[in-house]
Amino acid sequence: DVVLTQTPPTLSATIGQSVSISCRSSQSLLDSDGDTYLNWLLQRPGQSPQLLIYSVSNLESGVPNRFSGSGSETDFTLKISGVEAEDLGVYYCMQATHALWTFGGGTKLELK
Amino acid sequence: QIQLVQSGPELKKPGESVKISCKASGYTFTDYAMHWVKQAPGKGLKWMGWINTYTGKPTYADDFKGRFVFSLEASASTANLQISNLKNEDTATYFCARDYPYVMDAWGQGASVTVSS
Repeated sequence: DVVLTQTPPTLSATIGQSVSISCRSSQSLLDSDGDTYLNWLLQRPGQSPQLLIYSVSNLESGVPNRFSGSGSETDFTLKISGVEAEDLGVYYCMQATHALWTFGGGTKLELK
Repeated sequence: QIQLVQSGPELKKPGESVKISCKASGYTFTDYAMHWVKQAPGKGLKWMGWINTYTGKPTYADDFKGRFVFSLEASASTANLQISNLKNEDTATYFCARDYPYVMDAWGQGASVTVSS
């Protein structure tokens, strides 16, 4: 199975600070169709996960543009340019390139 | 709008079975596959597998082969997860999520299962 390793596991930030989360894959996530199915989700406390970014860098409808994604093959990054209070929660990367999908371990974003 | 509404919390004893439902609305149910995701208390998300809502064919992650069954009531736009011979480690919240495809773009609210003697 593909293993996704997220770092850091916990991130402390102040409001307005820019932060980045890394997601590294044990195998390339480049599909034979040319797309890379690496997605980012946010789970706020007590809520279901919600989609933020799909296929590395595409912002889901309604998601603020302070969120951005980048990367290729095995190394990916989620950046938040100016953290707001509503951004607190646990961020997960997940891959859908390989037949058995997998999630990263999560990164908890908390206020400093 | 797209909605996935899951059944309510369950309290079961070890060895019993449980069936969780996920009712979809706001789109054509058979056009999109459905995934199941487990979240144990205080832990991360774990992908369990998915079911093709057109053919009914399920695919299970390795850790969920044997006691776990995905099924459909397509006429009712509902996907089900049944867990048999429950163990303490099955205590978790179980989410259903729509496959857009290649991305889970809509999620149910989660169904809590507690296994305790």
